Amino acid sequence: GENVEQHPSTLSVQEGDSAVIKCTYSDSASNYFPWYKQELGKRPQLIIDIRSNVGEKKDQRIAVTLNKTAKHFSLHITETQPEDSAVYFCAANQAGTALIFGKGTTLSVSS
Amino acid sequence: GAGVSQSPSNKVTEKGKDVELRCDPISGHTALYWYRQRLGQGLEFLIYFQGNSAPDKSGLPSDRFSAERTGESVSTLTIQRTQQEDSAVYLCASSATSGSRGEQYFGPGTRLTVT
Repeated sequence: GENVEQHPSTLSVQEGDSAVIKCTYSDSASNYFPWYKQELGKRPQLIIDIRSNVGEKKDQRIAVTLNKTAKHFSLHITETQPEDSAVYFCAANQAGTALIFGKGTTLSVSS
Repeated sequence: GAGVSQSPSNKVTEKGKDVELRCDPISGHTALYWYRQRLGQGLEFLIYFQGNSAPDKSGLPSDRFSAERTGESVSTLTIQRTQQEDSAVYLCASSATSGSRGEQYFGPGTRLTVT
């Protein structure tokens, strides 16, 4: 089955800096890669996703890149703000299977 | 419209007792997922339903855990003879289609504490 590794486990940045979180996956058949943000005590919410037919997707200050050959994908947050502080989870799956999540990255943005 | 709902929001139970957790998915969503999240940890997949059948039960940690779904709607996760290590937030999610074609929407979770 699919296995997703996520790094780093914690990340601290200054407001305005960029943050990058990286994930690798094991199953070459996986073709859907979402990123979820979970604030303390709240449910995970989808912030961006990418499918295997594209290499990059951007939505305002967040972007995701995918390298299918290397089986890794990354989340990029630019111009970070204190409200970006949360736990971020990457995930991967293919049609007909459940999402398998990475262990999460706790992002702290200090002002 | 209404999102995914779960009940109860909190459950405290004594070790050895059985508990039932309920999930009401978004109306019309055919796929339903259960995850477990221990304090400060990631999301651990438990079981996935497509309609009323469960093509993937691989995440259920032991035979004390079971789940069912009826009417392609409500699902219940049952934990028998609860143990302290079962303490966690149990999250349910639903999606309009299965696998890579549908965004998963999460419910607020049930916080289970086994004393």
